Amino acid sequence: QVQLVASGGGLVEPGGSLRLSCAASGFTFSDDYMTWIRQAPGKGLEWISYISESGRNIYYADSVKGRFTISRDNAKKSLYLQMNSLRAEDTAVYYCTNVAGSSIEYWGQGTLVTVSS
Amino acid sequence: DVVMTQSPLSLPVTLGQPASISCRSSQSLLHNDGNTYLSWFQQRPGQSPRRLIYKVSNRDSGVPDRFSGSGSGTDFTLKISRVEAEDVGVYYCMQGTHWPQLTFGGGTKVEIK
Repeated sequence: QVQLVASGGGLVEPGGSLRLSCAASGFTFSDDYMTWIRQAPGKGLEWISYISESGRNIYYADSVKGRFTISRDNAKKSLYLQMNSLRAEDTAVYYCTNVAGSSIEYWGQGTLVTVSS
Repeated sequence: DVVMTQSPLSLPVTLGQPASISCRSSQSLLHNDGNTYLSWFQQRPGQSPRRLIYKVSNRDSGVPDRFSGSGSGTDFTLKISRVEAEDVGVYYCMQGTHWPQLTFGGGTKVEIK
């Protein structure tokens, strides 16, 4: 059974930092691109970053470029998102997902990040 | 950037009746490899999204056959042949053709009349 368990969310002040983690199991983690998708309260889905199987290719949405850093550890089957200079508009549930065949196959349960003073 | 536009925003449906959701892209989703990477996701209240359909019309394992996807180029449709209570939620289309971006539609909320 596939599991993507995200953690590390919480309440942080504007300008602060958080590091999200995602533990994967039930599929061959090292074979897939991985992404972070977020969903602001009551809003739709927004892709923010993905990383290739080896970690060599990385892309960011303009909304987070320069502030967020995605990384992975294939040995630990884990995905990470370092979030710096956080803003109120970064408040959202952050989902860890894989990408297979140019589609998102598996979703995790998400972790809530709240940026507020 | 590719823009995905869904309609309607809200879709009240009577149980047992059909429902149809439209998704239009600002550019063709036909990839150079001959595939069209258009997916549909269902998000039930309080849950994470779940994929229903990939590459326009391929149903995921475990997805009831009352769900079907169709379309080509820039126009796509998700149909539910007979809506059941468990189908309540928000449905999203997503394009995966134009990397490095994955782009979602704004969502369509399906509710029971």
